[in-house]
Amino acid sequence: AQSVSQHNHHVILSEAASLELGCNYSYGGTVNLFWYVQYPGQHLQLLLKYFSGDPLVKGIKGFEAEFIKSKFSFNLRKPSVQWSDTAEYFCAVREAAGNKLTFGGGTRVLVKP
Amino acid sequence: DTEVTQTPKHLVMGMTNKKSLKCEQHMGHRAMYWYKQKAKKPPELMFVYSYEKLSINESVPSRFSPECPNSSLLNLHLHALQPEDSALYLCASSHPGTSGRAIDEQFFGPGTRLTVL
Repeated sequence: AQSVSQHNHHVILSEAASLELGCNYSYGGTVNLFWYVQYPGQHLQLLLKYFSGDPLVKGIKGFEAEFIKSKFSFNLRKPSVQWSDTAEYFCAVREAAGNKLTFGGGTRVLVKP
Repeated sequence: DTEVTQTPKHLVMGMTNKKSLKCEQHMGHRAMYWYKQKAKKPPELMFVYSYEKLSINESVPSRFSPECPNSSLLNLHLHALQPEDSALYLCASSHPGTSGRAIDEQFFGPGTRLTVL
């Protein structure tokens, strides 16, 4: 069974700071990778996804992520955060041959104005 | 329309009640999902329907009974729940692909917040 680890449970930073959230997964086969965001009181929204091709993917709201296959990692980055980026961020992994999406434990990000 | 809708938004029920959660999408997705999300935890998969057939049941207790009456609707029937079943129940949908595999991201609804007394 695959598992997904997000090493940072809570991150606090100031506006304009850079953000990097780690995500590692354990599965040896081909995977599809996702980052979802859950703003306070709102539903899960897709930030970005990786299926194949360029391992550096760009998503909405200035976020990007890099897939490093050798490290089983899919870290999320944003060069300069805003107060509105305060949310919980979930990394998720799906075996390319399946329907099951496995989520990491989530990282709560608080951006101070 | 890229929206998954869920009703009701909130539900309070006793342990002897029978209730149902409803989910609807009009994106033409043929895979639909139920997740359970406890506070400060990630969503946990409960059920997957692909082409209106149950394809995954993550060992969910029988007091939760899913139903997919057509390609746009997904229900979750609840009976004799326990207080520990209180959680946010999320519905999602996606394209399953011609072989029944999900080929795109899942779109999530806002959830039903369930409280079992």
